[in-house]
Amino acid sequence: QSVLTQPPSVSAAPGQKVTISCSGSSSNIGNNYVSWYQQLPGTAPKLLIYENNKRPSGIPDRFSGSKSGTSATLGITGLQTGDEADYYCGTWDSSLSPYVFGTGTKVTVL
Amino acid sequence: EVQLVESGGGLVKPGGSLRLSCAASGFTFSSYSMNWVRQAPGKGLEWVSSISSSSSYIYYADSVKGRFTISRDNAKNSLYLQMNSLRAEDTAVYYCAGRILDVWGKGTTVTVSS
Repeated sequence: QSVLTQPPSVSAAPGQKVTISCSGSSSNIGNNYVSWYQQLPGTAPKLLIYENNKRPSGIPDRFSGSKSGTSATLGITGLQTGDEADYYCGTWDSSLSPYVFGTGTKVTVL
Repeated sequence: EVQLVESGGGLVKPGGSLRLSCAASGFTFSSYSMNWVRQAPGKGLEWVSSISSSSSYIYYADSVKGRFTISRDNAKNSLYLQMNSLRAEDTAVYYCAGRILDVWGKGTTVTVSS
């Protein structure tokens, strides 16, 4: 069972915006950078956001990240059918497993 | 092209052993920490183990501590995961992931079943 809690699912129509929350504690999110990963069906995870709000080369600016206290948020604007995937937050943890992933959120484009 | 390719997965009986390998190319392997991450069927991601660039620092998830051993050979640009005393709950796709977890392999499937 993960120490980072995400909503199981979020959905919106094409072109709309969704946000995914990731709730942790002072031992993980509160004192470490957060990353976000996208996992399209049947494929390996892909890094979307690192160090809370930075995008690797090639990731469109429709994807954004933020962190406040012990929570982080991933935002996706201009939702596309190709964005249907599972999304995970991840960060280092000083008390439990050194690196932890969130429970995962399935994004559905209506 | 930056690439990680895992191999070594397969079907093994409970209590058995397996050694996974991950071949890296397209980046300076010896400069980066590497990780193993797994995903059980229909489940989320689970971090398994990390090793620093020079193998000085090694970490394991509690679920595999004492049974799995991570190692690397920088001369061969390769990462390994020796898995012993395998259990049914170790059944998963095992991914090799490196650098800032921005490079991932396609995964290799490990099935532990009698």
